[in-house]
Amino acid sequence: TQLLEQSPQFLSIQEGENLTVYCNSSSVFSSLQWYRQEPGEGPVLLVTVVTGGEVKKLKRLTFQFGDARKDSSLHITAAQPGDTGLYLCAGLKGNAGNMLTFGGGTRLMVKP
Amino acid sequence: DAGVTQSPTHLIKTRGQHVTLRCSPISGHKSVSWYQQVLGQGPQFIFQYYEKEERGRGNFPDQFSGHQFPNYSSELNVNALLLGDSALYLCASSFLAGGNYGYTFGSGTRLTVV
Repeated sequence: TQLLEQSPQFLSIQEGENLTVYCNSSSVFSSLQWYRQEPGEGPVLLVTVVTGGEVKKLKRLTFQFGDARKDSSLHITAAQPGDTGLYLCAGLKGNAGNMLTFGGGTRLMVKP
Repeated sequence: DAGVTQSPTHLIKTRGQHVTLRCSPISGHKSVSWYQQVLGQGPQFIFQYYEKEERGRGNFPDQFSGHQFPNYSSELNVNALLLGDSALYLCASSFLAGGNYGYTFGSGTRLTVV
């Protein structure tokens, strides 16, 4: 059982469309990180959110941390084929601040 | 500047054998964490080494062990391999033990147990 549930698991969209990926838990996290992983590679850190309600923007990507620090979302505007990949959310807990707990991932495919 | 390097990139072993995977962190980073990623799932934390000591362990049996050397490189050892140990093994490097600033991952070692 995943402590962090991501939805959807798979997403196939056309270039130019918008999308949102969700990361939900019943547990509180001290911080939450989003990574993107491409085939044959390790995850690459996109952003870290720490404060409940925090919103961070990275070009066309918007990340939000829930007020209660139990959930997060990633919104991509005008998706491009280069956004294709596996998106992973990962949480850190205060009492185990060195152990990332990952969600199962959302596999995104953006078709040209 | 070199990123996190892992070796070997691919490995095929037989059930019951032993395997050693290696990781060199980013220069100046003192923490190395190991994760197992089974196909179709997110990575799972195995353990972390910081300043040559194990600083945390996930839900993995003693079959999995590790070591950190004086130069902060690390080894992951897996004894008595099972088919279910087939996975991508990822090494993650950070300057501090805590992960609030994020981790830099290597490209992983793909282990296949037959």
